[in-house]
Amino acid sequence: DAGVIQSPRHEVTEMGQEVTLRCKPISGHDYLFWYRQTMMRGLELLIYFNNNVPIDDSGMPEDRFSAKMPNASFSTLKIQPSEPRDSAVYFCASSFAGMRNTIYFGEGSWLTVV
Amino acid sequence: AQKVTQAQTEISVVEKEDVTLDCVYETRDTTYYLFWYKQPPSGELVFLIRRNSFDEQNEISGRYSWNFQKSTSSFNFTITASQVVDSAVYFCALSEAGYALNFGKGTSLLVTP
Repeated sequence: DAGVIQSPRHEVTEMGQEVTLRCKPISGHDYLFWYRQTMMRGLELLIYFNNNVPIDDSGMPEDRFSAKMPNASFSTLKIQPSEPRDSAVYFCASSFAGMRNTIYFGEGSWLTVV
Repeated sequence: AQKVTQAQTEISVVEKEDVTLDCVYETRDTTYYLFWYKQPPSGELVFLIRRNSFDEQNEISGRYSWNFQKSTSSFNFTITASQVVDSAVYFCALSEAGYALNFGKGTSLLVTP
């Protein structure tokens, strides 16, 4: 079975550019999560969706970040404009029925903003 | 407030030694879930175990074992006869009613030959 698929795996972009990270959750999962990992702050939840509806976006750092889930098999996390402090690993994860089942993570998107 | 505390930042052991990674959590919920994930040098997050708050039975999976004690709010992870391939960062995480995972800061384990 395919796991959570993220793209791109690595991206280097210049400050001010728009960055779009993509995620395909595991088929049948109804929860989707976006996390960010940095050395300073560790793993932080940015936003999560249930049945394509955003439930909690309190972790989204600022208006430059936005996330969408247009359908059950696709989500995007967009940063516009990007800044060097956005450099991090962004993980997408999915699960069925939330915490009652395991949350599976993608391999992460490694973003560097120069 | 930190909900999950992994006090050990780094641990270094020699192969075949046993090692225990500590995790202390904080919650007021009666229903919650605890997790351990492994992050090898390649960077992915690998699920190891999930435990719900009503199940205090310890679990063993091969060389891995977990000790869940509600009385001390701890969910410790022991690797028996450690191997070089166990070198990774290990994260403990808590989920309360809100469904999202709160991660600890992680413990970096280095197993040397």
